This record gives sequence, structure tokens and C-alpha cells, in this order.
Amino acid sequence: DVKVTQSSRYLVKRTGEKVFLECVQDMDHENMFWYRQDPGLGLRLIYFSYDVKMKEKGDIPEGYSVSREKKERFSLILESASTNQTSMYLCASFPRRTGNTEAFFGQGTRLTVV
Amino acid sequence: KNEVEQSPQNLTAQEGEFITINCSYSVGISALHWLQQHPGGGIVSLFMLSSGKKKHGRLIATINIQEKHSSLHITASHPRDSAVYICAVIIQGAQKLVFGQGTRLTINP
Repeated sequence: DVKVTQSSRYLVKRTGEKVFLECVQDMDHENMFWYRQDPGLGLRLIYFSYDVKMKEKGDIPEGYSVSREKKERFSLILESASTNQTSMYLCASFPRRTGNTEAFFGQGTRLTVV
Repeated sequence: KNEVEQSPQNLTAQEGEFITINCSYSVGISALHWLQQHPGGGIVSLFMLSSGKKKHGRLIATINIQEKHSSLHITASHPRDSAVYICAVIIQGAQKLVFGQGTRLTINP
């Protein structure tokens, strides 16, 4: 029972293309996150959202934008893909509450920009 | 300094050995996750901990909230356990999810 779904496992795009990475969760979570993973750098936060239509920049937002029009869907947008955006992208979500909180993770999207 | 530190960064062992991977964090947390990523693969959540200890097969995860420390143990390690293991914490009150740098484990037959 997959709870966080990323639209693609593998994606190949050309330099300059507009790329959409989609993340959907079915648990009514407020908090959603996009990270990228690169060798030697670990997982770095690109953008996050605390609720519908809300977005906050993470540590490395340059070259990216996001959209959260519906609570269950958080989209990462590469306006003009570049080769240095070749990476593994991970989506995560968890509910807004105090106390015990469990996060859920997508399987990741491996994006290659050629 | 990272809020979440893992050690060791790399670990090579022989099949059958007992493995320990450590995670220390410097902030109050709501929960801690241990994740596994096989080469070229996606990320899979192994455990979510907020206190005590959990066991699943040969994997055991413990957390000490007072010491801000968690360990992941693998008993009777096997080459198929070779993967990157990542610690992630949900920071209490901040609604943030922070990852450690990961530990690359290689189990040789």
C-alpha cells in the first residue's frame, strides 16, 4: 500500500526543457518536502510546503519552483533543466502535529538531463 | 555542524558479522527514521522510532532520547544488506525533516 507516490522512477530530459516532478500522498498530510540526493552531499532540501498554496525555500532552491494547488499533490518544477540538475529527487510527507509523528517517503525519481 | 550526524560514513565487513551504525542529533525530535537505499534503488523506510527499541528480522533499532542517539544493528550480516543506511529526524515543533549523510555498508561474502 503505497502512501507517497512519485510520478516516475526514471526520467531523461533534454537541457532547456521544463520538467515536472509530481508527488502525491493519500494521508491528508500538511507537510510535504522535496529533496535531491547527490554523491557525497547526502539529501538536501529544495522546497517544502506546510499546507495548500504555501511554499518555503529550502537550502538549495535555485533553478527550481514548486506548486501545491491541492493538499495531496506537491509538484517540483525545473523551469529550464540543466545538466547540473541530474540527480535523484525524493519527496516526503508527514502530518502537522506534536508528539509521535511518522514521515513517509516516495521511492525517488532519478532524473538525467542530457 | 549538521543537526544529524552519522558514523561511520563507510563500513566494510565480512558476512556474518554484527553491524552497528550510529546516529546522533543535536535537537529535540518528534521521531527518528532509519532508511535503506540499495545501489541504484529507491529509499525504503526500515523503522520509525520515538522511544525504546524495534526489531524486524535481523535488524534492530534503538533510540536514547536523553542522549540524543540512535543505533541500527544488523545481526548475521549478509551481502544483500549492502546498501546506504540513512538516519532522518523530524524536528520537534519546527515541522522539519532532516537527514544524516548516510552510511555506506558493504558486506563481503
